[in-house]
Amino acid sequence: EPEVTQTPSHQVTQMGQEVILRCVPISNHLYFYWYRQILGQKVEFLVSFYNNEISEKSEIFDDQFSVERPDGSNFTLKIRSTKLEDSAMYFCASSQDTQSRISYEQYFGPGTRLTVT
Amino acid sequence: GESVGLHLPTLSVQEGDNSIINCAYSNSASDYFIWYKQESGKGPQFIIDIRSNMDKRQGQRVTVLLNKTVKHLSLQIAATQPGDSAVYFCAETYRGAGGTSYGKLTFGQGTILTVHP
Repeated sequence: EPEVTQTPSHQVTQMGQEVILRCVPISNHLYFYWYRQILGQKVEFLVSFYNNEISEKSEIFDDQFSVERPDGSNFTLKIRSTKLEDSAMYFCASSQDTQSRISYEQYFGPGTRLTVT
Repeated sequence: GESVGLHLPTLSVQEGDNSIINCAYSNSASDYFIWYKQESGKGPQFIIDIRSNMDKRQGQRVTVLLNKTVKHLSLQIAATQPGDSAVYFCAETYRGAGGTSYGKLTFGQGTILTVHP
């Protein structure tokens, strides 16, 4: 069964450093998302991406964050200057073209645990 | 503001019992709802979804009920098994401004389900 993959599984970085979290969405999916989950809290939406541009972003997704689809398979989240409060699990998700399907399921990857020290 | 919340943060049941997990949502524009299961160290896993034009949908051992009048969603798990132990999140979304896609998921806080053998 196809699945969303993410690397690395755990990233430790110092405050102020740049990090890039990588995701490989399911191959025939067209919509891509990043979410984060601070330990013990709910999953929060960060950004959605379609047709090589951001569709929607949350208040969390400020100028320190950016996303990119550098090639046909990868989808990345970059945090330019990490802060302690960026420590969280970051989940990538993808979904198919929603025009022709009844279900609009977003498939989630296993997540990257980001620890900022 | 928009929110999706859960009434019961923890639920403990005996193996073989039926489980009911509840969720309240506040966004009247929401027209698609999903239940996700999250096991420790993993990303959210799709369980079942329901659109706002339905009030009940059944899957394998799971049933989702939607009451739009009181903005309430529930997940029923029949014959609960130890493998069902996890955190369960409800999530809601709505068709985007373009009318052709669903965007961000708004998650509830989560209910911890523990199944005792």
